[in-house]
Amino acid sequence: DAGVTQSPTHLIKTRGQHVTLRCSPISGHKSVSWYQQVLGQGPQFIFQYYEKEERGRGNFPDRFSARQFPNYSSELNVNALLLGDSALYLCASSLPKPYEQYFGPGTRLTVT
Amino acid sequence: GIQVEQSPPDLILQEGANSTLRCNFSDSVNNLQWFHQNPWGQLINLFYIPSGTKQNGRLSATTVATERYSLLYISSSQTTDSGVYFCAVGLNDYKLSFGAGTTVTVRA
Repeated sequence: DAGVTQSPTHLIKTRGQHVTLRCSPISGHKSVSWYQQVLGQGPQFIFQYYEKEERGRGNFPDRFSARQFPNYSSELNVNALLLGDSALYLCASSLPKPYEQYFGPGTRLTVT
Repeated sequence: GIQVEQSPPDLILQEGANSTLRCNFSDSVNNLQWFHQNPWGQLINLFYIPSGTKQNGRLSATTVATERYSLLYISSSQTTDSGVYFCAVGLNDYKLSFGAGTTVTVRA
């Protein structure tokens, strides 16, 4: 079975632009979570979606938004990019139980 | 939110050595996972261990939930064990709080 997939792998954007990152969960998983990992730190929780509903949101500005589609894939959108948004963006999927999360390979975003 | 502390921050080992990584957390949790992050950024699941002890090859982990800590043991370390090890905890399936990680370097 395929694991969590993310696209694109790498992305370079300019300050002020908008970006969309995509994630496909493991087949059968209905929950998708997004994390941001800046260099030298652990990942930070951004959002979780379950059955197309937002279940949780981390301490991120409104420039960050997400949605989940009927096939359980998800998009993370970031508007008005700042240099500080440069990071590895990780997507994870899980079943309701057990609570184990499985991560995709990430999208490395560079904002110049 | 839940605070997660990992120690040591850095660990240098000679190939073949054994080591213990520690994770302390500030609240009761229903989810605890150990990950190994490879040089390309992929988080590899090592253990899902909210309580008890598990073993997988040269790796084993123990979580003492009542005392709010978990330990990851690496035995007979190999150069391929190098990388960053993260402990992550949560109350459910939707939000994991990560520690800052332990960077392990295994020298041949």
